[in-house]
Amino acid sequence: GQQVMQIPQYQHVQEGEDFTTYCNSSTTLSNIQWYKQRPGGHPVFLIQLVKSGEVKKQKRLTFQFGEAKKNSSLHITATQTTDVGTYFCARDMDSNYQLIWGAGTKLIIKP
Amino acid sequence: DSGVTQTPKHLITATGQRVTLRCSPRSGDLSVYWYQQSLDQGLQFLIQYYNGEERAKGNILERFSAQQFPDLHSELNLSSLELGDSALYFCASSSTRGGEQFFGPGTRLTVL
Repeated sequence: GQQVMQIPQYQHVQEGEDFTTYCNSSTTLSNIQWYKQRPGGHPVFLIQLVKSGEVKKQKRLTFQFGEAKKNSSLHITATQTTDVGTYFCARDMDSNYQLIWGAGTKLIIKP
Repeated sequence: DSGVTQTPKHLITATGQRVTLRCSPRSGDLSVYWYQQSLDQGLQFLIQYYNGEERAKGNILERFSAQQFPDLHSELNLSSLELGDSALYFCASSSTRGGEQFFGPGTRLTVL
């Protein structure tokens, strides 16, 4: 019920290609957060989406929250080597401060 | 720098031993979370404390325990260690319910 499904698990792209990761829930989300974890690093907060249909951009990154607030996506245009890492989505629990995390999508740039 | 500190950075120990991992949250954050991340895996939520009280428990083994002290720092105790406990252990803190979490650099535990 409260879980979030994140796909794909891995995505291999050539540098310059686009990348997208999706986060889906069977229940309505009050908000969704996105984090990035570089190899060898710790997760770092990217953004929080709250409103239905919300679209936010950070340079080459576009974050979307679905109209029904049950899904979200992160799209990176023209990937660069600095984009390598694992991208996680996370939803909050209504009852406490806990976040429920997606499994993450690992972005791998093909040599 | 997230403002969350964790010590030690690395810990190598033997099976059957006990270790303590320490975390200091960002100034003013009352909530502390502990996560386990095995190699190339996702984040497994272990436990959450808020202002000294346990608020949520995830997939935390009975061999593991944690507490949050009056100064808000937290410790995660891992006992009777097994090879499978080798992982990165992250601490995170937040100031608002369901809000942004700030992660520490992690403690890499290796059990030999």
